[in-house]
Amino acid sequence: NAGVMQNPRHLVRRRGQEARLRCSPMKGHSHVYWYRQLPEEGLKFMVYLQKENIIDESGMPKERFSAEFPKEGPSILRIQQVVRGDSAAYFCASSLQGLADTQYFGPGTRLTVL
Amino acid sequence: DAKTTQPNSMESNEEEPVHLPCNHSTISGTDYIHWYRQLPSQGPEYVIHGLTSNVNNRMASLAIAEDRKSSTLILHRATLRDAAVYYCILRDVKNSGGSNYKLTFGKGTLLTVNP
Repeated sequence: NAGVMQNPRHLVRRRGQEARLRCSPMKGHSHVYWYRQLPEEGLKFMVYLQKENIIDESGMPKERFSAEFPKEGPSILRIQQVVRGDSAAYFCASSLQGLADTQYFGPGTRLTVL
Repeated sequence: DAKTTQPNSMESNEEEPVHLPCNHSTISGTDYIHWYRQLPSQGPEYVIHGLTSNVNNRMASLAIAEDRKSSTLILHRATLRDAAVYYCILRDVKNSGGSNYKLTFGKGTLLTVNP
């Protein structure tokens, strides 16, 4: 089975541009989670989605950030008008079931904002 | 969320066993103990989890104290590929807080493996 896939692996954007990060969960998994790891910091939960629904977005910055997980296709984390402080590694995880089920992580997307 | 305490760093030699400790003195009866590791420039990787009994899998063993206030991740023969940050995380299977899907990563233990 293929694991969680994320693309692109590296993304460079200039301030003010948009960044789109994609995540394809493991086959059969309908629960997706996004985490952010700022330089020299631990991973922080951002958002939890289950097919077409946002379950918990309490970790998302209030502005410029949005996430979706459509019925068909990958989950997308979208950052509008990026700023230098958005530079970080963004990891996606998926699980078969929600709650305390084991989460499997992708390799991450490293976003650099110039 | 119940907190965990881990040493900031540990060092081991290749081919030797490694014991990575984790203290969780405020653990509740429904908290599972999960271990993840993060190799350099990669995403976290699930290692093992357990509730009360010791657990073994192909990657590692998890030894849980009888009072469950501490646990130890055991790598039986460290390799250079095991150099990573190891995270001990508690997850409430009962979901009494309503958000047990959130993994709370602390600083973890940076394991260095010497050749």
